[in-house]
Amino acid sequence: KNEVEQSPQNLTAQEGEFITINCSYSVGISALHWLQQHPGGGIVSLFMLSSGKKKHGRLIATINIQEKHSSLHITASHPRDSAVYICAVFSNSGYALNFGKGTSLLVTP
Amino acid sequence: DAGVIQSPRHEVTEMGQEVTLRCKPISGHDYLFWYRQTMMRGLELLIYFNNNVPIDDSGMPEDRFSAKMPNASFSTLKIQPSEPRDSAVYFCASSSNRRTGGYTFGSGTRLTVV
Repeated sequence: KNEVEQSPQNLTAQEGEFITINCSYSVGISALHWLQQHPGGGIVSLFMLSSGKKKHGRLIATINIQEKHSSLHITASHPRDSAVYICAVFSNSGYALNFGKGTSLLVTP
Repeated sequence: DAGVIQSPRHEVTEMGQEVTLRCKPISGHDYLFWYRQTMMRGLELLIYFNNNVPIDDSGMPEDRFSAKMPNASFSTLKIQPSEPRDSAVYFCASSSNRRTGGYTFGSGTRLTVV
């Protein structure tokens, strides 16, 4: 069983909708990353979290360490937000990122 | 800083040929990671270096794969001989602190072995 589970696997939304992507993990972690990958493109780190909440533009990331859960929210979604969003964690005993399978988001005009 | 630089962006090679992928990390980052991404398995760690020293190569699939970091500004991932199942996107990433530092990925090398 993967240590990092994401949901949903695929998501289609209309432009302007509020979007939530969830990530659950089963190990103690020191930090969690949300990554974005556009089709055929590179990987960009959106956020690194170890507690609480971070906001950057229309993106908000939250983490609940006790519940081992994180969410990525996109407000006022736009077609350019269409990408794969990947949750990744540093476990307390690990040495590199452990990745979820990703959530493929399509925002239609 | 230009970020993590990988070359080539695309590589098509015939089965049995040697392939060398290159990576230049961000200056000052002392951790370097090689990852492989496939549709079936997602992103997987192959190997990582700390201060140019390989720390764990247990993710390297087989002896056909080797990685070196001769200095702080350059690393290579070599596959010899290449096989069609090695077709994937290979990402290099660097970090100033593997647990709490930011992570920067290169643009990746898309390898196709025919």
